Amino acid sequence: AQSVSQHNHHVILSEAASLELGCNYSYGGTVNLFWYVQYPGQHLQLLLKYFSGDPLVKGIKGFEAEFIKSKFSFNLRKPSVQWSDTAEYFCAAQTGTASKLTFGTGTRLQVTL
Amino acid sequence: NAGVTQTPKFQVLKTGQSMTLQCAQDMNHNSMYWYRQDPGMGLRLIYYSASEGTTDKGEVPNGYNVSRLNKREFSLRLESAAPSQTSVYFCASTTNPGLATDTQYFGPGTRLTVL
Repeated sequence: AQSVSQHNHHVILSEAASLELGCNYSYGGTVNLFWYVQYPGQHLQLLLKYFSGDPLVKGIKGFEAEFIKSKFSFNLRKPSVQWSDTAEYFCAAQTGTASKLTFGTGTRLQVTL
Repeated sequence: NAGVTQTPKFQVLKTGQSMTLQCAQDMNHNSMYWYRQDPGMGLRLIYYSASEGTTDKGEVPNGYNVSRLNKREFSLRLESAAPSQTSVYFCASTTNPGLATDTQYFGPGTRLTVL
């Protein structure tokens, strides 16, 4: 069965620090990959997605992610985080035609001033 | 254009009570999904409906039933609530499963507590 792993459960950074959140998936076939963000008290919003083509994907709010097929990874990066980036971040993988998503357990990012 | 809406926002039930969570989308999407979110476990798929008139089990369907009432609405029913069903429930929808443009849009969630 497909699974998604996020090894960083809680990350604390100072404003302006660089961010990298890890995401690994286990599935041998074609897979679509997503990063969603959930701000406190809000619903999930799409940050970025990868379907095919350029493995470096740029999303909203300065986030980007790189798909490395050989490592089964899709890590999320941002060069300089802001206090407003405090949120929970979920990596998800999608396979098959029913668009079902398998989510990782999430990484809680706390940005301090 | 409200997107995906869910009612109620909050609910407290006693063990054994039943209730239905409502979800509606106004984006003319074909597919709809119900997830539950628990601390440290991310979101897990309960049931989904690939198209109007069809429903299928997801990862954690036990204790739940669903109804795809029409293209807009997809409800989740707890027949006999248990404390293990205390969770935040999210509904989502998408227009073209499997296509490159496919993105799931999520509702605001229903926070359910079962005592």
